[in-house]
Parts: sequence; C-alpha cells; structure tokens
Amino acid sequence: EDQVTQSPEALRLQEGESSSLNCSYTVSGLRGLFWYRQDPGKGPEFLFTLYSAGEEKEKERLKATLTKKESFLHITAPKPEDSATYLCAVAGSARQLTFGSGTQLTVLP
Amino acid sequence: SQTIHQWPATLVQPVGSPLSLECTVEGTSNPNLYWYRQAAGRGLQLLFYSVGIGQISSEVPQNLSASRPQDRQFILSSKKLLLSDSGFYLCAWSPGTAKFSYNEQFFGPGTRLTVL
Repeated sequence: EDQVTQSPEALRLQEGESSSLNCSYTVSGLRGLFWYRQDPGKGPEFLFTLYSAGEEKEKERLKATLTKKESFLHITAPKPEDSATYLCAVAGSARQLTFGSGTQLTVLP
Repeated sequence: SQTIHQWPATLVQPVGSPLSLECTVEGTSNPNLYWYRQAAGRGLQLLFYSVGIGQISSEVPQNLSASRPQDRQFILSSKKLLLSDSGFYLCAWSPGTAKFSYNEQFFGPGTRLTVL
C-alpha cells in the first residue's frame, strides 16, 4: 500500500525566512510525485510533477526536489501570499494518487 | 485552456435527503475524471474515477454513486445522505491516456456539503 507522510503539519515563518517542507513516501514503483497548493475553501492548485530521483522543478519562490524516499518543497524568501496548505501526492502501482495530509504554511508579515 | 466547474459551491442537506453534485470540464476531450472527498485536516480520499462515458470505478464502498452521462460531465449522487457524508467534495480531471494515474490531476473549486 502506498503511503505519504508530510511534515511538519504546520509551519509559521516570518516573511523572508526560507524553509523546507518534507514529503516522505513509500510506494511500489514510483510513477510520479505531485505537489499542490490549497487555499482555504478552494480546490488544490497543481504546482509540480517529479518523476525520478535527482529531478528538480522551480516556480517563483518554490523549488521541489526528489530523492528515492522523499521530496522537499523549498520556499525561498516567502511572502504572506505564500500562506496555504501544501499537499504532496504519489502515483505508484495503484491506479490512483495517494495524498498526504498536507503542511499548513503561514507566512507572517 | 481547460477549465473545470463544480456546483453547487455549498450545500446544506438534511439526513436522508438525496444528493446530486455536478462537475463539468471544458477545453479537453475524453478526460479521466475523479471524485474526491476531503475531511478537515486530512488528505484527499478518492471516491470514484472514470476513464470514459458510462465507465465508473469505485474505490470506497459507501452510499454514494457516480455517473458520467457525457464525455465531460461527472455526477456524484446519493439516494439518502448520512451525517458522515459531510465534507468537501472535489472533482478533478487528467488527460486521458493509458497510464492516466501517472498524469497530474487538475481540481475544481469544490463543493462544501453539510448534512444535518
């Protein structure tokens, strides 16, 4: 059974204070790892797909990396508008995505 | 560009009443479609997925059902709602390919359902 664990559950940062969110996974044959951003009361917004260890993707202040056991979402010099819940999901042997419970990020001005 | 719509945005229903939530996708053909439920503070739980008209797969046994009457329309239904059906329901689509589960999924705005 595919499993995804995200840490920390919640993270509070000062504006400009860089940090990383972790997504650890157990999957039988990784087919893809996905990062989403979710604002309160809204549907998740797709950010990145990573397919193999060593791969990196960047978008504005966000950078996602992938190893054989985990993925990191690095946030550089965050702004208050980066506050959201960040979800990680994996596609493995099962014909579905397995989601983690998310990290709730709050960036204080 | 592709867009996905869900309605209603919010719904309050009494226990035992029927349910119908609708999802439509624009700007793509033959998408794979999904229904998820998200409980507060928890990850997304896949309820149903469909790879084509009339083709529905259920992931979780429950009193809910899904239908796909048209290529880009996906409906979630129930004959009698339970208190435990409350939650945030999300529809998603992905490009229709043989290995659909390996593609990123794009989500709609969601429906907040409260069963009283």
